[in-house]
Amino acid sequence: GENVGLHLPTLSVQEGDNSIINCAYSNSASDYFIWYKQESGKGPQFIIDIRSNMDKRQGQRVTVLLNKTVKHLSLQIAATQPGDSAVYFCAELNTGNQFYFGTGTSLTVIP
Amino acid sequence: KAGVTQTPRYLIKTRGQQVTLSCSPISGHRSVSWYQQTPGQGLQFLFEYFSETQRNKGNFPGRFSGRQFSNSRSEMNVSTLELGDSALYLCASSVRQADSTDTQYFGPGTRLTVL
Repeated sequence: GENVGLHLPTLSVQEGDNSIINCAYSNSASDYFIWYKQESGKGPQFIIDIRSNMDKRQGQRVTVLLNKTVKHLSLQIAATQPGDSAVYFCAELNTGNQFYFGTGTSLTVIP
Repeated sequence: KAGVTQTPRYLIKTRGQQVTLSCSPISGHRSVSWYQQTPGQGLQFLFEYFSETQRNKGNFPGRFSGRQFSNSRSEMNVSTLELGDSALYLCASSVRQADSTDTQYFGPGTRLTVL
């Protein structure tokens, strides 16, 4: 299957700081990526997506960056809040129209 | 618009039994995908249904099966349960966007424990 992995399994940040969560993918032909947030006891929640014809996309307090040269995806969360504590997954849509997910990064926000 | 719903939320079974999980997609969504989530393997794709037909299938044994009804509701079945089938089973529905991407929206999952 596809290799969609995360560089760090855990990340701790101070409240108010910016968070950066990274993701590597292996299929250069993948053209659509999604970041999900999963809180304990809940299903993954869509945060933001990006297509391969873009390098950057911004949402509310979140920015996704795509570097196709090194097959790297990152999620930036501005002014991180306690409610941002969760596991974050990146998902890659491969050429077979199937999503592959990374194992996730657990973000902990320290008040 | 109501989100994806899954029933039951929690289930306890014993080895050898079979189980059926249900998923109701977001209204208007015709595609339903199923995933298994475990701490060690993360989210793994089981299968996808679109208009009552299986459109995609992951690498799971034949004990895992599914179907979709004309109202887009979907069920997945696991027969001859094994301890390793204990997991959170997630359902996601999607609809084709204007730019031809399919964005998936997940339900809360069914937590299956096999004893």
